Amino acid sequence: DARVTQTPRDKVTEMGQEVTMRCQPILGHNTVFWYRQTMMQGLELLAYFRNRAPLDDSGMPKDRFSAEMPDATLATLKIQPSEPRDSAVYFCASGFSGIETQYFGPGTRLLVL
Amino acid sequence: GESVGLHLPTLSVQEGDNSIINCAYSNSASDYFIWYKQESGKGPQFIIDIRSNMDKRQGQRVTVLLNKTVKHLSLQIAATQPGDSAVYFCAENVGPSGGYNKLIFGAGTRLAVHP
Repeated sequence: DARVTQTPRDKVTEMGQEVTMRCQPILGHNTVFWYRQTMMQGLELLAYFRNRAPLDDSGMPKDRFSAEMPDATLATLKIQPSEPRDSAVYFCASGFSGIETQYFGPGTRLLVL
Repeated sequence: GESVGLHLPTLSVQEGDNSIINCAYSNSASDYFIWYKQESGKGPQFIIDIRSNMDKRQGQRVTVLLNKTVKHLSLQIAATQPGDSAVYFCAENVGPSGGYNKLIFGAGTRLAVHP
């Protein structure tokens, strides 16, 4: 049963600390999406990768957020420094380019104190 | 994404009844739509999809209806079960935007199934 995996599942940290979230897309998928979900804003797209290249990160605060794909099996989302307003659930999704369906991971629940 | 506020609209149904969850989409050029189910503490799970050249598609216990005239999408769940309790999101593909197919998610509807 192929699925997207994310680590950690939960993260509590203090303001100013660096946070790194990891995602393993479904094997063979060549697109990766990062979303943030909050009660107030719902699901917001942060970044999109195709074949490991970042094609859209317009939804991401550039000063503190960064997203990378070191290889085809790993996507990372980093926040440095973290702030309380970053508290949210961060989802990774993967798919095939040209096919619209996205498959979501279980999310990383981040709490910044 | 759209702002959802602190409270999602909630649909309460009795176990065994049929449920209908509605969604209004924004872009008349959208050509593909998906329904996702999100259970507490989990990621959105794909349920069913439909392309704009169809007006109805059926899955196992679920049916999606598309009315392009009024830009409305609905998800029908037959014989609703307690395990169907979740938040349901519709998403529309607004077409190649910035070189890729971008999904825009609705605010979500909470389905509460009572025994």
